[in-house]
Amino acid sequence: GAGVSQSPSNKVTEKGKDVELRCDPISGHTALYWYRQSLGQGLEFLIYFQGNSAPDKSGLPSDRFSAERTGGSVSTLTIQRTQQEDSAVYLCASSYRVTGSNYGYTFGSGTRLTVV
Amino acid sequence: SQQGEEDPQALSIQEGENATMNCSYKTSINNLQWYRQNSGRGLVHLILIRSNEREKHSGRLRVTLDTSKKSSSLLITASRAADTASYFCASFSGSARQLTFGSGTQLTVLP
Repeated sequence: GAGVSQSPSNKVTEKGKDVELRCDPISGHTALYWYRQSLGQGLEFLIYFQGNSAPDKSGLPSDRFSAERTGGSVSTLTIQRTQQEDSAVYLCASSYRVTGSNYGYTFGSGTRLTVV
Repeated sequence: SQQGEEDPQALSIQEGENATMNCSYKTSINNLQWYRQNSGRGLVHLILIRSNEREKHSGRLRVTLDTSKKSSSLLITASRAADTASYFCASFSGSARQLTFGSGTQLTVLP
């Protein structure tokens, strides 16, 4: 597609339930990042994928968070047993090169997760 | 962790004035990027400056980079009401291989 697509755009879930957030990056982009942003805050790095290399999971806040990227394309971020502090906007970005080349990263519109 | 810090946190100016936002970072970088965010959703890439560059222009945007001070500035000239948004700097460290964002500057341009 022309841009990074994320779904759903909004998700309301009950505390304790599992959620899956999807990111469809730009075709051909080898680097894919997940960030989250709490209200009025900056972006918190979660995880990144680069080609077929092992992902950098150093930003995942707990073992309730996991992510995978199938076939080097679509990525899914899974949050198990959601807590209220997980409420945030989850942003996905992709780039042709991990260094961002001359074009930086292209971000999706995000998934706003609300845990009630 | 967020290594970038931006100031001011909020800036309010009149249309036509220039807006300057500053960013500091902590570790050595490959490049530094500026992004814009409207309404707390997706970010839009504005400009990238490499560690061996000192200044870069793109339209009404001017970015400077001082690696000795680990700082960068974004200047928006002749601001417009449509420039109202949050602006974030993001540093890329080759060793960490991730983009680290600052806390952002909320710019309001009054018509």
